[in-house]
Amino acid sequence: DGGITQSPKYLFRKEGQNVTLSCEQNLNHDAMYWYRQDPGQGLRLIYYSQIVNDFQKGDIAEGYSVSREKKESFPLTVTSAQKNPTAFYLCASSSFLAILAKNIQYFGAGTRLSVL
Amino acid sequence: SQELEQSPQSLIVQEGKNLTINCTSSKTLYGLYWYKQKYGEGLIFLMMLQKGGEEKSHEKITAKLDEKKQQSSLHITASQPSHAGIYLCGADGSTSGTYKYIFGTGTRLKVLA
Repeated sequence: DGGITQSPKYLFRKEGQNVTLSCEQNLNHDAMYWYRQDPGQGLRLIYYSQIVNDFQKGDIAEGYSVSREKKESFPLTVTSAQKNPTAFYLCASSSFLAILAKNIQYFGAGTRLSVL
Repeated sequence: SQELEQSPQSLIVQEGKNLTINCTSSKTLYGLYWYKQKYGEGLIFLMMLQKGGEEKSHEKITAKLDEKKQQSSLHITASQPSHAGIYLCGADGSTSGTYKYIFGTGTRLKVLA
């Protein structure tokens, strides 16, 4: 089955530690995204990537880093510089159809990150 | 920058009742997407609207985009417990579309059996 896989489902970070969240898709989508969701808030864009080896900062990129070495994979690292990392992280992918201006995003099940 | 405001923020209805969720944009919408999220899970795409006055339905859910393309509504008829979750609208901000868009803050729906 095609889809997006995020792992782990739950992650705990110690102070000063970097942690990496995994996101893999087998939908053959060009674009991938990372969002952060806090209680009572909508989704905020952290980073996005339109093609391999290229990515752009979203609205809240500080304290996060990403890489896009393969089309299928877009890992997110939460660095020690991110002082308030506790949140629900969602990865998404899409196949942007410019001629139709259509950009339906498909989401993984999420990773819940907590600080010890 | 464009913002999406959803109302109400939360909604509790009795099973079988109809309900409406609204999404209002500060700028013209060129692509409006509705998603549903079950608590603690990812988002599932429901519908996309692009044209002013457009209306789409899937099972008991109908989404509309107004003629001015600044407001969308999601209407659920005869609600069921399976409709419970968070409903979010998302939007492209440009005429040509873009790889990224913004989301509303979401509406939490609870359906009482």
